[in-house]
Amino acid sequence: QITLKESGPTLVKPTQTLTLTCTFSGFSLSTSGVGVGWIRQPPGKALEWLALIYWNDDKRYSPSLKSRLTITKDTSKNQVVLTMTNMDPVDTATYYCAHRGRVRFFDYWGQGTLVTVSS
Amino acid sequence: EIVLTQSPATLSLSPGERATLSCRASQSVSSYLAWYQQKPGQAPRLLIYDASNRATGIPARFSGSGSGTDFTLTISSLEPEDFAVYYCQQRSNWPGTFGQGTKLEIK
Repeated sequence: QITLKESGPTLVKPTQTLTLTCTFSGFSLSTSGVGVGWIRQPPGKALEWLALIYWNDDKRYSPSLKSRLTITKDTSKNQVVLTMTNMDPVDTATYYCAHRGRVRFFDYWGQGTLVTVSS
Repeated sequence: EIVLTQSPATLSLSPGERATLSCRASQSVSSYLAWYQQKPGQAPRLLIYDASNRATGIPARFSGSGSGTDFTLTISSLEPEDFAVYYCQQRSNWPGTFGQGTKLEIK
């Protein structure tokens, strides 16, 4: 059974750096073809793909946010970490992590964590 | 970046009716398109991948079709639990963009 869960601060101030952790079980991020991604959703708006890390440490970032994002993995801890610098109120959103496996789309998702950016 | 345009923005139907949702890509994505369902307060759920393949556990009333730039999600006979927001997503080009969503509401 594959599960993922996001954790991190619920409130950050403008200009601060956000660090989110995705802790997963039921799969290994050292298995060929597997990836974990981050997707966000501002309140009442659509989904936006942020970043993705593969089993071989290949990393992909949203072009519009690339300068602000870093994604890393700790295979031994079954965790993926996303950092986003210089947070702004427009970054207020629910942040999801998700598993990308054999079907090469996000087939398992975490419950999401709402991050509010406000002073 | 590939833009996905979903239509209509809102679809009002009754249980038992057939729903047809559209997703159009700004350039060809071959068959690399998925559909997700999202209910309020929940994470998206993968319904269809590679245009026409149902994900694990998805009922047969959900079907997908299309290739290139035009795709359709069909729900053959709406159940009460099907009223939600539906998103398409492509993985042909990075980033794997999402559409803006279609809200399926009860008429």
